[in-house]
Amino acid sequence: QSVLTQPPSVSAAPGQKVTISCSGSSSNIGNNYVSWYQQLPGTAPKLLIYENNKRPSGIPDRFSGSKSGTSATLGITGLQTGDEADYYCGTWDSSPRYVFGTGTKVTVL
Amino acid sequence: QVQLQESGPGLVKPSQTLSLTCTVSGGSISSGGYYWSWIRQHPGKGLEWIGYIYYSGSTYYNPSLKSRVTISVDTSKNQFSLKLSSVTAADTAVYYCARTYSDHLMYYFDYWGQGTLVTVSS
Repeated sequence: QSVLTQPPSVSAAPGQKVTISCSGSSSNIGNNYVSWYQQLPGTAPKLLIYENNKRPSGIPDRFSGSKSGTSATLGITGLQTGDEADYYCGTWDSSPRYVFGTGTKVTVL
Repeated sequence: QVQLQESGPGLVKPSQTLSLTCTVSGGSISSGGYYWSWIRQHPGKGLEWIGYIYYSGSTYYNPSLKSRVTISVDTSKNQFSLKLSSVTAADTAVYYCARTYSDHLMYYFDYWGQGTLVTVSS
């Protein structure tokens, strides 16, 4: 049972924007940086965002991250069919362990 | 470009020990600065962090798996390994190895292996 809650799915038309929320607590998001991962069908996860809002080299600026209090958000603008994937947030928790969110499936209509 | 590749048996019998190895190329585990993690994903489910190791041998495990997990490193082969004992069907999953950046308040996985499916069945 993950301690980070994400919506099961979000969808939008090509070119539109979607946002994915990641809700946690002071034990995790509230006191640690958040990262985001994209998992295309049948492949390994890929780092999209680290340190709340930084993009690794090669990640387009259509992807953005933010954090406020005990929640984080991933935004995807200019949605493309190639963005259809599962997205996971993650951060350190005081349990102590690294925890991932429940995952969100993005569908391009 | 750092690359990671998991290897090991795809089928393990219940009560036995699951053993996997991750071979790192394009970078040296011994260079430091990064930890090396194992992460698993049950079929159709989310991601679960198992634990990580530093090149020095220092380890940290998920408390929920700690009693059954051992992660070790072989710097001469640029490999690190996972052993999970007393497996059951609930341990059936795709197992990933990943390079891990770990610093005060900041943790993330920047390079991942392709993953290997391990099925626990008699």
